[in-house]
Parts: sequence; structure tokens; C-alpha cells
Amino acid sequence: DAGVIQSPRHEVTEMGQEVTLRCKPISGHDYLFWYRQTMMRGLELLIYFNNNVPIDDSGMPEDRFSAKMPNASFSTLKIQPSEPRDSAVYFCASRLAGFGSYNEQFFGPGTRLTVL
Amino acid sequence: GNSVTQMEGPVTLSEEAFLTINCTYTATGYPSLFWYVQYPGEGLQLLLKATKADDKGSNKGFEATYRKETTSFHLEKGSVQVSDSAVYFCALSDKESAASGSARQLTFGSGTQLTVLP
Repeated sequence: DAGVIQSPRHEVTEMGQEVTLRCKPISGHDYLFWYRQTMMRGLELLIYFNNNVPIDDSGMPEDRFSAKMPNASFSTLKIQPSEPRDSAVYFCASRLAGFGSYNEQFFGPGTRLTVL
Repeated sequence: GNSVTQMEGPVTLSEEAFLTINCTYTATGYPSLFWYVQYPGEGLQLLLKATKADDKGSNKGFEATYRKETTSFHLEKGSVQVSDSAVYFCALSDKESAASGSARQLTFGSGTQLTVLP
């Protein structure tokens, strides 16, 4: 398996523009997570899905952020409109369900977003 | 709520030096504990884990022991290499519920940058 795939790897945009980040989880995984990493706030969980259904979006910073998972092999994180403070590295991760045990989260390489 | 506190960085060591990165946690119940490593330009990778008290996780020469009495999970390595240069994250997970679909969410520490000099 190729692992978790994210695109683009780097995105530079201007304030006010719409940004869409994409993620393809590992085939067969039940959960998909979106994280944001910044120097100031470290690694934050934004939202996660179980079997394509959003379970907890309490980490989404504001209404400008939205995430979808239309099928088991694809998810998007959208920011509209983008602001300079959204500049960060965004990670997607996926894993199998593991009730009663722990299954590893596999992280993608991340998308480095710069909003000018 | 859950929280993880880990040693502030950056940490700079010479090759073959002994490494300790401290990690303490606050959680209800009996969480599982993890160390993740992030190499430059990459995503996080699981380094080791421990799922119950007194368990020792180990991998690639790194070790950490789940100490419930001190709520700690310190990372150690006896002899570091230049290739160990990375950011290390301590993390914990809460319980997973089959009924609600809620996942074992990971709560991460702030990360510790390790640089090993030749």
C-alpha cells in the first residue's frame, strides 16, 4: 500500500482565496483524521470521520473550515476564505477500528499551506 | 480533560550520548501511551507504545516505560545517532466506543526537537 496520500504537498495562496486540501486514506481503514500543526499551537485535531461519517468536528477553528468524506477513499478539507493565520502544515491520518485494543494511526506527509 | 506535557526543546546531543525526553500526562481512566517521531518534511510515525501500567515499549533502541504512579512515559535511548535527529511527540489515547463510533483520539504533547551532532 502507498500509505496515506495527501495533495498538494505545498500550497501558496493569497488571503481570501479558497483552499482545498485532499487526502486518500489507506484502503480498508475505518477512521480518517485531519490535524493542523503550527509552531504556536503544536498538533491539533480538527475533525475525524468513522466510515465516512463526521464524528467530532469540535477542533475545527471556525466556519471558514469545512471537511467532507464523500467515500471511503477520499476526503477534503476546505478553507474559504483563507487568512494568513491559517498558514500551517495540515496532516491527514487513517487507521483501522480497534475496539479493546489500539491500532496505529498512519499519517500522510502533510500539506504545507502558506496564506499571504 | 486529557493532556500531555513533555520536555521543552530543542535538545542537542553529540553522537553516542544518552537521551532522555521527559513526558507526563493527565488522563481519566487508563489511557494508552505513545511516542511518535517526525523526521524533517515527513508525517508522524509511531515509534513505540505501551497500553497498560508497567509496560515497556521499545523500538530502534528507544525505550519508554508506562509509570502509572508518576503518570510518566519518559523516552530513553542509550546511544543516539545522527539519524535520530527529529521531533519527538509524546501522546495518549482515550477509550474507543463501538456504540458511538468515537475513536481513540490521540492527545499530543508539544513535541521536542532533537538534534544529534556527529
